[in-house]
Amino acid sequence: DVKVTQSSRYLVKRTGEKVFLECVQDMDHENMFWYRQDPGLGLRLIYFSYDVKMKEKGDIPEGYSVSREKKERFSLILESASTNQTSMYLCASSPPGQISYEQYFGPGTRLTVT
Amino acid sequence: EDKVVQSPLSLVVHEGDTVTLNCSYEVTNFRSLLWYKQEKKAPTFLFMLTSSGIEKKSGRLSSILDKKELFSILNITATQTGDSAVYLCAVDKLNNNDMRFGAGTRLTVKP
Repeated sequence: DVKVTQSSRYLVKRTGEKVFLECVQDMDHENMFWYRQDPGLGLRLIYFSYDVKMKEKGDIPEGYSVSREKKERFSLILESASTNQTSMYLCASSPPGQISYEQYFGPGTRLTVT
Repeated sequence: EDKVVQSPLSLVVHEGDTVTLNCSYEVTNFRSLLWYKQEKKAPTFLFMLTSSGIEKKSGRLSSILDKKELFSILNITATQTGDSAVYLCAVDKLNNNDMRFGAGTRLTVKP
């Protein structure tokens, strides 16, 4: 049974703080993804990674960076949090190759920036 | 610019009703269209559609794709309160590991 875990379910941070969101998967998946989900906008891809130390920008990478030092872990970093980054953040992973539909999602982190 | 548009944005029905959710898309390098169900947690996969006109079924849920008119529908028959969720449509692109998601349709099924 695939498991994708995220470090926090709820997080409250102040404007200007550096924020780390951690995601870990236990299925040896090559591909990992970070999305944010906002009402009326659906899921939007921030970054994805198809291998250790590899990363690709998604649709909305501005204000975010990522780190993939180990295969099982994909971190999303907000260098200086802003109120417009208040959102639900979802991490996902998928098996190797081009078939990305088998994405397994984590439970999400609801981040509030005040 | 790639677009995935779902309609309606929200829908309220009563148990036993049949509903049809719509997803239209304009995406370059289309590979497949996917439907997800999202309750109070992460989305779960429902269907993947790659060919036009072939219906996929799972219990009371079914879906079909029209690649000429660039849309898909998700049907739910004999709805139950447990069907209440946000239904997300996503388009998977060739030679890429990302998907374009629609905004979702929030379905509420009342007893």
